[in-house]
Amino acid sequence: ETGVTQSPTHLIKTRGQQVTLRCSSQSGHNTVSWYQQALGQGPQFIFQYYREEENGRGNFPPRFSGLQFPNYSSELNVNALELDDSALYLCASTWGTGDSPLHFGNGTRLTVT
Amino acid sequence: GQQVMQIPQYQHVQEGEDFTTYCNSSTTLSNIQWYKQRPGGHPVFLIQLVKSGEVKKQKRLTFQFGEAKKNSSLHITATQTTDVGTYFCAPEGYNEKLTFGTGTRLTIIP
Repeated sequence: ETGVTQSPTHLIKTRGQQVTLRCSSQSGHNTVSWYQQALGQGPQFIFQYYREEENGRGNFPPRFSGLQFPNYSSELNVNALELDDSALYLCASTWGTGDSPLHFGNGTRLTVT
Repeated sequence: GQQVMQIPQYQHVQEGEDFTTYCNSSTTLSNIQWYKQRPGGHPVFLIQLVKSGEVKKQKRLTFQFGEAKKNSSLHITATQTTDVGTYFCAPEGYNEKLTFGTGTRLTIIP
């Protein structure tokens, strides 16, 4: 059983640029959630994808968008990067959209300069 | 909207001492999960509580869900250096998605 994998592990971008982060869900899982974790804070829910459709969104602007593919892997895209977007971006997978435990990847550390 | 507070924010304990973190909500929760995040790591699921007054134990860890389902606690007995990390409560939010608390960072003094 493979766990959740995220790429890249680290990324440095300049303000105004765009970034794409990738996530492969754990085998057997069909739901992917993305979280943003600023330094010293708890993870903040960005959105969730289930069966290739967005299934819930947190308090993040439209420049945060995502995709889920038929194999349940997912992408997080952020346009017009701002300095405050610097954070650890965590992907978590689970089965279904209920209250099953989340299985997190190691995250992508994004630094915006 | 739902407000979840976790206290304390930081806790430093001598190895062997006990540790407790509390999670308090302004609204009634349907269920709550607890996660542990080691320094430099990612959150790892510990437990889920669903029933009012529920108590669950995992070795030295004891988890409680309040009778009113508005608060929860995690108690660690006789802490060890492997307990170092940040402990998050994560209740199901208004949008039926997990919302993480502010976390309690535990450091152990050997």
